[in-house]
This record gives sequence, C-alpha cells and structure tokens, in this order.
Amino acid sequence: EAQVTQNPRYLITVTGKKLTVTCSQNMNHEYMSWYRQDPGLGLRQIYYSMNVEVTDKGDVPEGYKVSRKEKRNFPLILESPSPNQTSLYFCASSLSPENTGELFFGEGSRLTVL
Amino acid sequence: GQNIDQPTEMTATEGAIVQINCTYQTSGFNGLFWYQQHAGEAPTFLSYNVLDGLEEKGRFSSFLSRSKGYSYLLLKELQMKDSASYLCAVRDLGTDKLIFGTGTRLQVFP
Repeated sequence: EAQVTQNPRYLITVTGKKLTVTCSQNMNHEYMSWYRQDPGLGLRQIYYSMNVEVTDKGDVPEGYKVSRKEKRNFPLILESPSPNQTSLYFCASSLSPENTGELFFGEGSRLTVL
Repeated sequence: GQNIDQPTEMTATEGAIVQINCTYQTSGFNGLFWYQQHAGEAPTFLSYNVLDGLEEKGRFSSFLSRSKGYSYLLLKELQMKDSASYLCAVRDLGTDKLIFGTGTRLQVFP
C-alpha cells in the first residue's frame, strides 16, 4: 500500500530533550516536506527536500533540522524542543518537485513540549 | 507575498449543495489546490485548477478565476461523511511552494 509513515504518532516531552520524528514513504517520491499545523494558522511549511541530499528552509524553520540521506526517509529533528513547538506535524511527499501541489500526507505526529 | 482567505466555518444539511469560497493574493500563481481533512486525520488531495473554469470530479467541483484571485469548491448531494475541514492552497510560481489557507470547517447536519 502506498503510504507516508510517521513515528511517533504521539509524544510528550520536556523542554531541551532532543527528539526525532521519522518519516518514510514507499512511493519513490522525489519531493518531501514537513508541515506544522496550529489552530488558526493552518499548515505551515518547515523544511522541504527536492531530492536526496537537497534540503531547504520553508516558512518556519527555526528550531528544526532535517536530513535527506535516502530517497524514502526525511526525518525532522528538534535539537532542543521548546513549548512553542507543541503542534501537530505532518510529513508529505509528491512524485516530483513539479507536482508539489498533489501531496500525500502522513498520519500526523502530535507533539507536546512541557 | 501570499495571502489566502476562506471562511472559518460553514454548516449545511445532508443532501444539499454547499459552496466554499477561497480568495487569494499572490505575486506568482502556479495552481490552486483543494484538500479535505477530517478531524484528527491527514489532509487528502481533492482537486487542482491552473486554468480558469470548472473542474468536476464526481460530487465535487472546483472553479478558478485567475483574474479575480478567486476559487470555490462545490460539494453536491452532501453526505454526513463530508463533515471535514477544506483547505485551499496556492502554489507559488517562483518556488513551487504550496501555501495553505487556514481551512473551512464544514459541518453537515441530518
């Protein structure tokens, strides 16, 4: 089954404790992206990747890191989480950078930072 | 920059028709997209318009007027399962980045 898989789905952590949210897609998609979704603000892009070893900042990259060492994986790293990073996070992928509008989303990861 | 406006909430009755509007301002336009998002779930792609006019896909249709910076999503023969948020998104011409509106929460009542 074609899908984007995120882990963990739910996480409660404390300020400053490094964490990684994994994202993996099995559709051989070139383009991958991370979004956060907050009430009243909608989906905002954190980072994106056009292909392996190519990553770039989205609209709200502060406090986050990403890597794209393999085509299928695009982990999101919070080196020192803070309470303002409490949010619902979505990983998404599309076939190519030319198809960035037709995104396949993961199930979401709800993160709470205390 | 980009700005996307859509109503926050709408209600409708099962079997009826509802139109969800979206207006946008953008420095460079390269397509408008609609997504559906049920509560607690991931968004799923519904439709894509890049040229003016109506695109029909079953009970759902999407319309675009580039000169007016306007789109709407039309849902016919509403069903209870159509209760969800509907996200309007515009792709920027220069960066191909997708910018999302804050979404319209639609509640369908029996």
